[in-house]
Amino acid sequence: SQTIHQWPATLVQPVGSPLSLECTVEGTSNPNLYWYRQAAGRGLQLLFYSVGIGQISSEVPQNLSASRPQDRQFILSSKKLLLSDSGFYLCAWSEGGVGNEQFFGPGTRLTVL
Amino acid sequence: EDQVTQSPEALRLQEGESSSLNCSYTVSGLRGLFWYRQDPGKGPEFLFTLYSAGEEKEKERLKATLTKKESFLHITAPKPEDSATYLCAVQADSGYSTLTFGKGTMLLVSP
Repeated sequence: SQTIHQWPATLVQPVGSPLSLECTVEGTSNPNLYWYRQAAGRGLQLLFYSVGIGQISSEVPQNLSASRPQDRQFILSSKKLLLSDSGFYLCAWSEGGVGNEQFFGPGTRLTVL
Repeated sequence: EDQVTQSPEALRLQEGESSSLNCSYTVSGLRGLFWYRQDPGKGPEFLFTLYSAGEEKEKERLKATLTKKESFLHITAPKPEDSATYLCAVQADSGYSTLTFGKGTMLLVSP
């Protein structure tokens, strides 16, 4: 069966510090991978998605970036965090191709102070 | 632009009191409509996929239905453990497309 991991579970960072969140998937090959941010009252916002190694599509302009160095690894980064980057970050995967249902990881709660 | 609107925003039920959650959507062509359950502080858990109008899916006390403009999540005789936020999402039938999520309905079932 497939499993998706995210770490860390919680993170408190000062404004201007760098960020690296990691997501890995087990039990599948060539998945589509996604990063979402969930803020209170705003629902799930898609940040990035990837259909293969090194292939990243960005949905919204921001100071975040994503990378996919391996087939089942997805990384969300920032060089300098802003207060507005606080939120609940979720990684998800779906079967490769045009995609269907997505399966989510446990999430990372990021607080920028 | 694809849009998903869920109502009500919050719903409080007594244990055993059946009700329905609504998901209205606008999409150029529907590939799939998805329901998720999310507990506080956790990632969404996949429940159902519906592909065409008239389709129904069931899981325990939950039944999802689909029309050309909306989907309902019916909860029969809910229990306190059904308390969660329920999210609806749509995927358009246009090449590779991502999911568009609604803001969710927060359900609280009191014993």
